[in-house]
Amino acid sequence: AQSVAQPEDQVNVAEGNPLTVKCTYSVSGNPYLFWYVQYPNRGLQFLLKYITGDNLVKGSYGFEAEFNKSQTSFHLKKPSALVSDSALYFCAVSPPGEGNNRLAFGKGNQVVVIP
Amino acid sequence: DAGVTQSPTHLIKTRGQHVTLRCSPISGHKSVSWYQQVLGQGPQFIFQYYEKEERGRGNFPDRFSARQFPNYSSELNVNALLLGDSALYLCASSSLPNQPQHFGDGTRLSIL
Repeated sequence: AQSVAQPEDQVNVAEGNPLTVKCTYSVSGNPYLFWYVQYPNRGLQFLLKYITGDNLVKGSYGFEAEFNKSQTSFHLKKPSALVSDSALYFCAVSPPGEGNNRLAFGKGNQVVVIP
Repeated sequence: DAGVTQSPTHLIKTRGQHVTLRCSPISGHKSVSWYQQVLGQGPQFIFQYYEKEERGRGNFPDRFSARQFPNYSSELNVNALLLGDSALYLCASSSLPNQPQHFGDGTRLSIL
């Protein structure tokens, strides 16, 4: 069964500083990996995905993520954080080739960007 | 274009009752998935439907059921509600089963 670990409950960063949100995964075969963001009382918004190809994936709102197969990690990064980036971030994994996209989510990381 | 729409936005029920939640996918999307998000946790997969057929089912009891209609909208039904069913229920749609999912804002279900 696939699973995702997001080891930190909360990430605090000063506005303008680099932001990193960590994610490691466990899945058989080559995974499909995703990052989503959730604002209060809202659904999840898709940020980016990795399926195959370049290990550095660029997504929405200036976010990017680096796939590292040897470390089974898919950390989310942003070079310069904004106050508006404060939200709940979820990493998710989907096993390839099953003909469905049942996502297994991590528990989420609360990101707080301090002005 | 409208995103994924869910109704109702909030619902209060008592133990033992049943509930029906509704979801309209993005126009052109034929795959619909349902997730349960308990406060403080990540969403848990419940069901996926594609072209009106069930494509996947998560680890939920038989009290949970769903269906997809010819217009690709979907309903999630939960019978014999328990206190532990209190959660945000999210619907997501995608054009194909292996494409990124787009989520609605959810239905907040509270069980008293």
